[in-house]
Amino acid sequence: DAMVIQNPRYQVTQFGKPVTLSCSQTLNHNVMYWYQQKSSQAPKLLFHYYDKDFNNEADTPDNFQSRRPNTSFCFLDIRSPGLGDAAMYLCATSRDRQGDYTDTQYFGPGTRLTVL
Amino acid sequence: GIQVEQSPPDLILQEGANSTLRCNFSDSVNNLQWFHQNPWGQLINLFYIPSGTKQNGRLSATTVATERYSLLYISSSQTTDSGVYFCAVTNLYSGGGADGLTFGKGTHLIIQP
Repeated sequence: DAMVIQNPRYQVTQFGKPVTLSCSQTLNHNVMYWYQQKSSQAPKLLFHYYDKDFNNEADTPDNFQSRRPNTSFCFLDIRSPGLGDAAMYLCATSRDRQGDYTDTQYFGPGTRLTVL
Repeated sequence: GIQVEQSPPDLILQEGANSTLRCNFSDSVNNLQWFHQNPWGQLINLFYIPSGTKQNGRLSATTVATERYSLLYISSSQTTDSGVYFCAVTNLYSGGGADGLTFGKGTHLIIQP
């Protein structure tokens, strides 16, 4: 089945130690998104790639970076994790806009990040 | 940016009951999705419904785009329906060919046996 895969599912890192989360997709979608979801809150968009074009949200901290080496893979890098970065990180994909409508977004299972 | 409000924030029902969850949004949308977040945190797509009505088994949804609201109906609730239900939208006027979703705060549904 076509799907969105995130690895690892659980990640523990130390305060200030860089960490990379990965997302891959077999849907061949050209748009990939990263969302952050803190405990008991709604997911919040960090940034997205439209093909190779990177689109950062205005309030995403500089501590968060992303790379998309090819259509299938996208990475989230947290350069110096703080305690406040502990959260679930969700990757999503979609096709290009369909006429006047943006297409369905499909989410991966998420990576739960713990910062010690 | 666009505002998304969901109600009620919490809902406790007995198994077999029906429920209606509401999502209000503050501007025109070109995407509206309903999700169920399971206990492991995965967001399960329920409906892609920027307008109109859809049904899938015991679940159905209606979006009245001109009045800026959407409703999710759950009939004959089961304990496995428990979890958080999110409504999420993209703003028609945000521009670009692909936009991230803005989520409401969710409705936490508990179905008791």
